[in-house]
Amino acid sequence: RKEVEQDPGPFNVPEGATVAFNCTYSNSASQSFFWYRQDCRKEPKLLMSVYSSGNEDGRFTAQLNRASQYISLLIRDSKLSDSATYLCVVNPPNKFYFGSGTKLNVKP
Amino acid sequence: DTAVSQTPKYLVTQMGNDKSIKCEQNLGHDTMYWYKQDSKKFLKIMFSYNNKELIINETVPNRFSPKSPDKAHLNLHINSLELGDSAVYFCASSSGGGYEKLFFGSGTQLSVL
Repeated sequence: RKEVEQDPGPFNVPEGATVAFNCTYSNSASQSFFWYRQDCRKEPKLLMSVYSSGNEDGRFTAQLNRASQYISLLIRDSKLSDSATYLCVVNPPNKFYFGSGTKLNVKP
Repeated sequence: DTAVSQTPKYLVTQMGNDKSIKCEQNLGHDTMYWYKQDSKKFLKIMFSYNNKELIINETVPNRFSPKSPDKAHLNLHINSLELGDSAVYFCASSSGGGYEKLFFGSGTQLSVL
């Protein structure tokens, strides 16, 4: 079983749409959780950390459900520039496990 | 002023050759990593070093040998390159100690012909 599972997509949405990505993880001892964004042929970059209480950064909202071992990312009012692959990342100490990524295409 | 820098950006070589990729971070982090991203874009951890000591070796063939001369550097040497080694290799670093964030270099595209 993979450490982190994500729907690979692609999600094709129009500009202005709201889109949600989900991710599940297998290691209940995981301590910290993140969403990273990866553009084509670039390195992954931190989008936001995910906290148990849920957290928001502008148009992006992340949620963590430890009981269900489930992480989500909601993007509101999608922009063309949001097109990328979104990676769910889970951190048991000293390791970072990545999901396979969900590809988002925002169309005009 | 790059935080995590790795060289070279592109590496094209023949099967059977030996090659190295260098990585340096100026973030003062204690932990450095090598990740491999294959053609299916899956990022898989290979090695992790904390203060020059190996702490994770994820069943990587022993043709891959990481070396950390100091905590700011983690190099990757690959012997007897095989076609299946073709991938993008990312160096990364984190502050360690739990709840830390991971920062990546820009990647090395390795093509084995």
